Amino acid sequence: GIQVEQSPPDLILQEGANSTLRCNFSDSVNNLQWFHQNPWGQLINLFYIPSGTKQNGRLSATTVATERYSLLYISSSQTTDSGVYFCAVYMKSSYDKVIFGPGTSLSVIP
Amino acid sequence: NAGVTQTPKFQVLKTGQSMTLQCAQDMNHNSMYWYRQDPGMGLRLIYYSASEGTTDKGEVPNGYNVSRLNKREFSLRLESAAPSQTSVYFCASSVGRPQMMDTQYFGPGTRLTVL
Repeated sequence: GIQVEQSPPDLILQEGANSTLRCNFSDSVNNLQWFHQNPWGQLINLFYIPSGTKQNGRLSATTVATERYSLLYISSSQTTDSGVYFCAVYMKSSYDKVIFGPGTSLSVIP
Repeated sequence: NAGVTQTPKFQVLKTGQSMTLQCAQDMNHNSMYWYRQDPGMGLRLIYYSASEGTTDKGEVPNGYNVSRLNKREFSLRLESAAPSQTSVYFCASSVGRPQMMDTQYFGPGTRLTVL
C-alpha cells in the first residue's frame, strides 16, 4: 500500500526561526492536505494542496505531485505554532483511502 | 455556530461493553468521517459517509458500525469493546464528497479507554 513519510520526526526551534517540513508519498495521489494538531489535541486543516503552492500568512505549502512530495514552510515561528503537523494523502483505489503520515512534532521555545 | 461537536469527551469501558459515540455538525456539510488516533500516530479512517443514508468503510472498520442518521449526525458504535480500541476518536465533516478531500473540520475528540 501507499506509504507516507514525514521528516523530521521532531523539531525544536527558537521563536522567530524558519523551518521546512517534508512529506513524501510512495504512489500517485489525488489530493493532499496539511493539518496542525495543537498541544491540546485540536486538529486544524492548514492547506488543501494537491499541487502547486499556497500561502496563508506565515505558512506556505508546495506540492510537487510528479515527484511525490510536499513541503510546509513556517516562517518567523511563534510558540503557538507548537504541536504536531500531519500531511494526509487521498487516493482512489478499491476503496477511498485517506492515509495520514506519522507527523512532525514541533516545539517552538521563546 | 458550534461547528463539529462530539459526545462524550471521555469514556472508560470494560472489555465487552458497548457504546455509541455521537457526532453532529451544523455547517450543512455533505460528508462526515470517523477517525481514530493512537499514541504517536497519525489518524486512521474508520468509516465515512458521503451523504445521508450512505456509509463506506475506511482503512480500519473492523469492530465498528456507523449510522448516518440525518445530514447533521453521524454516530460510531462499538458493539463489544476491546482493549485494542483504546484510542482518541475524531469526527470530521467536509462540504464535498470524500473523493474531493476538501477542507475537513474536526471535532474536539473523544478519549476512549477500554480496560
